[in-house]
Amino acid sequence: DIQMTQSPSTLSASVGDTVTITCRASQSISSWLAWYQQMPGKAPKLLIYKASTLESGVPSRFSGSGSGTEFTLTISSLQPDDFATYYCQQYNSWGTFGQGTKVEIK
Amino acid sequence: QVQLRESGPGLVKPSETLSLTCTVSGGSITDFYWSWIRQSPEKGLEWIGFTHHNGITDYNPSLRSRVTVSLDTSKDQVSLKLSSVTAADTAVYYCARVPSTLGWYFDLWGRGTLLTVSS
Repeated sequence: DIQMTQSPSTLSASVGDTVTITCRASQSISSWLAWYQQMPGKAPKLLIYKASTLESGVPSRFSGSGSGTEFTLTISSLQPDDFATYYCQQYNSWGTFGQGTKVEIK
Repeated sequence: QVQLRESGPGLVKPSETLSLTCTVSGGSITDFYWSWIRQSPEKGLEWIGFTHHNGITDYNPSLRSRVTVSLDTSKDQVSLKLSSVTAADTAVYYCARVPSTLGWYFDLWGRGTLLTVSS
């Protein structure tokens, strides 16, 4: 199984900040990585796929990068709606998710 | 606008079989792969399995011996059956769509349904 490890687990930030979340795979997954945002009590929402392709309708302040085993999700100019939990998911082999990173208000 | 809505019993006894249904509205059920994913505080997000109208189906190896995912195109429904449930199967269960065979990620999710395993 490919293990996905996100860091940090929790991130405190303020509106307007730029934040970066890291996701590491236990083996190379090429660019087969997606990022999701989950609000409390809601289903995950797709933000990015193939490591850096923005899903239609997702604000451009969200961006993804990386390949192989290390990936990042960057949120520029954090907005109030962005305080949520973010998950990465590899789909190179079956599909496994990271444990999540909670972005909270500082 | 395509929408997914999960439904189920809410509570199942240990050793029984869990049955959930996902109703797809606003779009064709035959054009995509459909998946079940669950989420619990203990295990996080876990992909259970997927199916397609073409008959291709596969399951998470850790659950393969207990799970069946199927389509009912006449009702536009995706079904999940999980046998011999235990407390470890307590989770929110989501139905989700795979947008393309170019990548096994999920672009559309239902609201989820909470299933509790308890006597």
